Amino acid sequence: GAGVSQTPSNKVTEKGKYVELRCDPISGHTALYWYRQSLGQGPEFLIYFQGTGAADDSGLPNDRFFAVRPEGSVSTLKIQRTERGDSAVYLCASSPGGTDTQYFGPGTRLTVL
Amino acid sequence: GESVGLHLPTLSVQEGDNSIINCAYSNSASDYFIWYKQESGKGPQFIIDIRSNMDKRQGQRVTVLLNKTVKHLSLQIAATQPGDSAVYFCAENRRDGNKLVFGAGTILRVKS
Repeated sequence: GAGVSQTPSNKVTEKGKYVELRCDPISGHTALYWYRQSLGQGPEFLIYFQGTGAADDSGLPNDRFFAVRPEGSVSTLKIQRTERGDSAVYLCASSPGGTDTQYFGPGTRLTVL
Repeated sequence: GESVGLHLPTLSVQEGDNSIINCAYSNSASDYFIWYKQESGKGPQFIIDIRSNMDKRQGQRVTVLLNKTVKHLSLQIAATQPGDSAVYFCAENRRDGNKLVFGAGTILRVKS
């Protein structure tokens, strides 16, 4: 079946702008995760959804970052007033349940100029 | 602090040889460990996992070994192929959590 998909694959924006990144999890997966990966680093956890609710948002760096999953499937990561330091690859993963293997999407490369 | 780290940042092997990638973890509360492979421009791809009640698990050409005494994890790849060239990450998931904690990664280069 189809894996995790993310759009757009690349996003270039200017400092101070607002961006939305989308994640379509594997069908039937109830858990969804967002991670951020900087060049040469491993992915870092941002937020975890179980169904529609954010069960753990302890990895969000500040209040400019927000994520939603209104119907328990597609999720959107929203970044306000982007800064150059937000430039990274944003990865989404899903799993059948909260503690099962996480399957990753291809990521969205965000570049803030 | 709590961290998952790798001993060797870069590993070069000859095609056909076996590869061993090592990982150390520090959180004794971790009970689930995963190896991911990441190729350039792609997301991490699941390779194999192991739970803390096991010390060895085998897949197709890959074996993961877990030594809880010294908090060490390794990935063995048999008959390494050029397509195995990538960055390999180990990650831990803690018993009471849902987030993966990744190490920095090891670059595997396979020479033909």
